Amino acid sequence: KAGVTQTPRYLIKTRGQQVTLSCSPISGHRSVSWYQQTPGQGLQFLFEYFSETQRNKGNFPGRFSGRQFSNSRSEMNVSTLELGDSALYLCAGGPSADTQYFGPGTRLTVL
Amino acid sequence: AQSVSQHNHHVILSEAASLELGCNYSYGGTVNLFWYVQYPGQHLQLLLKYFSGDPLVKGIKGFEAEFIKSKFSFNLRKPSVQWSDTAEYFCAVPWGGSQGNLIFGKGTKLSVKP
Repeated sequence: KAGVTQTPRYLIKTRGQQVTLSCSPISGHRSVSWYQQTPGQGLQFLFEYFSETQRNKGNFPGRFSGRQFSNSRSEMNVSTLELGDSALYLCAGGPSADTQYFGPGTRLTVL
Repeated sequence: AQSVSQHNHHVILSEAASLELGCNYSYGGTVNLFWYVQYPGQHLQLLLKYFSGDPLVKGIKGFEAEFIKSKFSFNLRKPSVQWSDTAEYFCAVPWGGSQGNLIFGKGTKLSVKP
């Protein structure tokens, strides 16, 4: 079966813009988590959703938000982009949170 | 709060050498532990996980890890590495009452020389 898909794969934005990233977990999987990966900070947890409800949120500013739809697809939004938001954004989904499958990520570059 | 430490930033080995990558977590009690691997240009993949039971856990591709509660450690091992093991390895622990909230270590980059 198809894996976790993330769109777009690459994105270039300028400071002050906003961006929306999308993640579709494997069919039937209801848990989705988002992570930010940077060379300096490594992998940091952003949010977790299960059945359209946010269960956990990481220590990121309010400019970072997310949601999950009834079909388990999830979106992440970052408003007022800053240079430091340049990162690889990873989505992970699973049938339950103890088994997560990661997507290929969206590489966001902020100029 | 929970934290995860990986002792080595970059490890360079020759093929057939033995590997041990360190991982320590800060919070005791009931703990689940994961090792993930990220091959160049590929997704993060689960290598192995520990939830309970036998503290020696076997994963894919000949990797294993040992959970030592008294040392708050979950070190990854492989008796004989191959060039194809070149990758970045991450130790992770769930936090916040949910397995979907993983705290990752900074990662260890492994380079295997043929």
